[in-house]
Amino acid sequence: AQTVTQSQPEMSVQEAETVTLSCTYDTSESNYYLFWYKQPPSRQMILVIRQEAYKQQNATENRFSVNFQKAAKSFSLKISDSQLGDTAMYFCAFMKPFNAGNMLTFGGGTRLMVKP
Amino acid sequence: DAGITQSPRHKVTETGTPVTLRCHQTENHRYMYWYRQDPGHGLRLIHYSYGVKDTDKGEVSDGYSVSRSKTEDFLLTLESATSSQTSVYFCATGASTGTEAFFGQGTRLTVV
Repeated sequence: AQTVTQSQPEMSVQEAETVTLSCTYDTSESNYYLFWYKQPPSRQMILVIRQEAYKQQNATENRFSVNFQKAAKSFSLKISDSQLGDTAMYFCAFMKPFNAGNMLTFGGGTRLMVKP
Repeated sequence: DAGITQSPRHKVTETGTPVTLRCHQTENHRYMYWYRQDPGHGLRLIHYSYGVKDTDKGEVSDGYSVSRSKTEDFLLTLESATSSQTSVYFCATGASTGTEAFFGQGTRLTVV
């Protein structure tokens, strides 16, 4: 079974600064996907970024980027130029795709507060 | 946005009563999931479905059952609600050809 660990329950950052959220995972699989989801106070789950394990290049989506270290089983999320709207819970998640139903295994979450 | 609707959005119920949560999708996705969200635990999988009448247990399935009689509907039933089942419940769907999961708005269930 896979496990996902987010070691930072809460973090804060000043507006316009950069923050990095940590995630580690444990798996014996070689092919998998990793995700970061954002959950604002509205409770909606929003996909922020996705990384395929067989791709060495780190994924980037605008101000969001990841540092994927496959050997270390680490998948951190960097948010650049933080905005007030980035205040949310962030969840790291693992998926073993295309067999057994594409289920997600989530970490415990990191609550991020962006301060003005 | 994927059309996933959960009902009800909020519910308060008494210990020992049965409760059914409904998830309805308009995307014709093959996979459907029920997760529960609790502080410090993130989201944990309760049950999932591969297709009509094809379901299986997830990580925290005790005390829950599911049914999927139509592609678009996935029901979660708490046979006899307990206070430990107070949580936020999320339905999600996924296409068999993709990796993205699409989530409903969540249902906040309180068992008193």
